[in-house]
Amino acid sequence: DAGVTQSPTHLIKTRGQQVTLRCSPKSGHDTVSWYQQALGQGPQFIFQYYEEEERQRGNFPDRFSGHQFPNYSSELNVNALLLGDSALYLCASSPEYGGGHTQYFGPGTRLTVL
Amino acid sequence: AQSVTQLGSHVSVSEGALVLLRCNYSSSVPPYLFWYVQYPNQGLQLLLKYTTGATLVKGINGFEAEFKKSETSFHLTKPSAHMSDAAEYFCAVSESSSNTGKLIFGQGTTLQVKP
Repeated sequence: DAGVTQSPTHLIKTRGQQVTLRCSPKSGHDTVSWYQQALGQGPQFIFQYYEEEERQRGNFPDRFSGHQFPNYSSELNVNALLLGDSALYLCASSPEYGGGHTQYFGPGTRLTVL
Repeated sequence: AQSVTQLGSHVSVSEGALVLLRCNYSSSVPPYLFWYVQYPNQGLQLLLKYTTGATLVKGINGFEAEFKKSETSFHLTKPSAHMSDAAEYFCAVSESSSNTGKLIFGQGTTLQVKP
């Protein structure tokens, strides 16, 4: 059973560009969350998708947007990249919508903004 | 607002010694509490979680944690450290009243295990 997969593994962009990161949840999971982990920090919640809708959003600007597809996979888009967007972006899936369910994390996408 | 504080950004123990990683949380409603481990260049793996019921929770790889409401703590312990335990450990909290289970993480504690 494949776990959470993310692509690409690494990405280098320049300031002002746009980027799309992709996530496939664990089989049978319908809820996907995205987190940003800056170097030396704990992950910070960006947003969560369930039934193709954004259900909750963390303290991130509108430059960060997302999408969930009917097969539950998800994309994270970041526009007008800033140097401070350099981080590890983690996708997590859970088997049900709601609190208390374990979130299973993917290996992440390392984004470097030059 | 919820928050998590992990006391000690770096903890060093000898192989075979007790591991104690400290976590205190702040939450206005009963919390769900989690410990995750992150190995270099990898994602996070769940060690254990507390939602309801027994306050002493056992997890994988010999780790356990105890939820102490009066102390707002959820410290992680392991009786005997192995070299393979060297990693970054994160404590996280979510609100039981939350529909989404959004996780709030601490800053992390790096565990070093010396031979």
